Amino acid sequence: NAGVMQNPRHLVRRRGQEARLRCSPMKGHSHVYWYRQLPEEGLKFMVYLQKENIIDESGMPKERFSAEFPKEGPSILRIQQVVRGDSAAYFCASSLRTAAEYAEAFFGQGTRLTVV
Amino acid sequence: SQKIEQNSEALNIQEGKTATLTCNYTNYSPAYLQWYRQDPGRGPVFLLLIRENEKEKRKKRLKVTFDTTLKQSLFHITASQPADSATYLCALDRGTGFQKLVFGTGTRLLVSP
Repeated sequence: NAGVMQNPRHLVRRRGQEARLRCSPMKGHSHVYWYRQLPEEGLKFMVYLQKENIIDESGMPKERFSAEFPKEGPSILRIQQVVRGDSAAYFCASSLRTAAEYAEAFFGQGTRLTVV
Repeated sequence: SQKIEQNSEALNIQEGKTATLTCNYTNYSPAYLQWYRQDPGRGPVFLLLIRENEKEKRKKRLKVTFDTTLKQSLFHITASQPADSATYLCALDRGTGFQKLVFGTGTRLLVSP
């Protein structure tokens, strides 16, 4: 059973370009979370999605950032018109949540975005 | 505002000793507290979860305590090994039903042979 797969592992974008980060959750997991880790800072929650639904996007900047988790295919975190401050490691996590148990979240290896 | 504090200085210990890492929080009432391990360039790996009504949890060489009065969790690694060298993250969860975790910045542990 493959873990959470993120790609690309490293992404370099020039200021003003778009960045698309992909996350394939673990098999059978329908809950996806995106976190951002800035240098010397802790991971910060961005957004929680279920298939075709955004459940909580309270941690995502209102402008330039969007996320989706379509019925088919990976979850996508899109950053439009990137700026240097967007440079960070972006982690995706997935969980298999049941009603009775607290479900552990499994993290991917992250995508390291560098804006030049 | 919510604040989670972990010792930002690296913890250096000798192989075989017990490592103790601290997580303090303010302005927060977590239902769950989790500890993760993160190696350089890798994603966090879940280690242990402890609930607000639990005082202590163990898993092999790992032990976590949770004091909601002191607003503190201690994470112990007994008989530490060089392979335990990593950054350890504390994460809090209000128990909303999904993994909206609030992470500390982590403490780097270095175990010398």
